Amino acid sequence: SQQGEEDPQALSIQEGENATMNCSYKTSINNLQWYRQNSGRGLVHLILIRSNEREKHSGRLRVTLDTSKKSSSLLITASRAADTASYFCATANTNAGKSTFGDGTTLTVKP
Amino acid sequence: DTAVSQTPKYLVTQMGNDKSIKCEQNLGHDTMYWYKQDSKKFLKIMFSYNNKELIINETVPNRFSPKSPDKAHLNLHINSLELGDSAVYFCASSPTGSNYGYTFGSGTRLTVV
Repeated sequence: SQQGEEDPQALSIQEGENATMNCSYKTSINNLQWYRQNSGRGLVHLILIRSNEREKHSGRLRVTLDTSKKSSSLLITASRAADTASYFCATANTNAGKSTFGDGTTLTVKP
Repeated sequence: DTAVSQTPKYLVTQMGNDKSIKCEQNLGHDTMYWYKQDSKKFLKIMFSYNNKELIINETVPNRFSPKSPDKAHLNLHINSLELGDSAVYFCASSPTGSNYGYTFGSGTRLTVV
């Protein structure tokens, strides 16, 4: 099964609202990453948060990590129609040598 | 300049054929990957190479054979294509080490008919 599970599977909001997506994982990690995938395109790396970090910001993105609950959240503030995409979390573990992706959340931002 | 480029972008072929997908990165990364994304958008790692050496082979059928002639290239050859091989295949690269995100190519949509 996938290491990460994301919820909700789909999220639809109005432009200007905030969007929050959650990711849960099962094993210990070195870091957790968030990616965006526009329809028909490759994944774009958004932000990486290390296991010893609790919160990270990048522009309108805010990521939190709670290793005790094995969960992370991605908040997009003041959403825009251009934020419409699928968002994936991925977890990395040194021993595994790879990142394992979650199921993704499909975000639709209505203008 | 495209950082990770894959060719072709689309590939439609008949069952039983053999096909190759090429990937090149100009980022100077040491590690390259192949991921498969199915129709439900699940992304699953297939292979990982570090400096031309195979690191990860995730129980992929041996009809799939990756080849890395140098650390900037990782190609994927698929023999005897099956209907279930239809998917989008992504190449990605990263620096060595676990605290880096991946740079993905734009994907190759393979359709087996």
